[in-house]
Amino acid sequence: DQQVKQNSPSLSVQEGRISILNCDYTNSMFDYFLWYKKYPAEGPTFLISISSIKDKNEDGRFTVFLNKSAKHLSLHIVPSQPGDSAVYFCAAVDSGGGADGLTFGKGTHLIIQP
Amino acid sequence: KAGVTQTPRYLIKTRGQQVTLSCSPISGHRSVSWYQQTPGQGLQFLFEYFSETQRNKGNFPGRFSGRQFSNSRSEMNVSTLELGDSALYLCASSLTDRAYNEQFFGPGTRLTVL
Repeated sequence: DQQVKQNSPSLSVQEGRISILNCDYTNSMFDYFLWYKKYPAEGPTFLISISSIKDKNEDGRFTVFLNKSAKHLSLHIVPSQPGDSAVYFCAAVDSGGGADGLTFGKGTHLIIQP
Repeated sequence: KAGVTQTPRYLIKTRGQQVTLSCSPISGHRSVSWYQQTPGQGLQFLFEYFSETQRNKGNFPGRFSGRQFSNSRSEMNVSTLELGDSALYLCASSLTDRAYNEQFFGPGTRLTVL
């Protein structure tokens, strides 16, 4: 059973607009969440993270929102740029002692249209 | 500083064979984690090594094993290969264990099992 779900396999957004990528999780023990970006033929690169004690974390054009009661997080990219076209993975971890490393979603392919 | 390197980048094997993949972490990093990426399952955690000790293990059969050397370089081995083992194998390194937001991924080894 997938513990981290990204229900949109792909998302197309116009350049300059806001991109919103969503992620849901089922394991209530997850307390740390991360977003990774992956270009073809490269490994994922860390983008932004959020601890469960916060509901928002911002880094430049990237903001992650966490809704613990809904077990939902989202990544906002404003404004979207052509270089943002990539696959975005949501990941979660039980930092307190879980033995499973990072649990990833299946990814959302973001396409920024000029 | 050189990034995480993985060798080989591409590999073709046949069913029943065994394979060894190598990962050299960033200099000074002591933690190495391995992940399997497939189109159907996304990125799945295999195991994590820290200071030559396996710290965490994902839900994979015993055919998947790994080790870490005193210089932090890591290898993973898959024995009795199956068609379903075809995947991109990624390793990630970090300074300490569980430093999830400071994990740096290599470009991966693309394994094809025929």
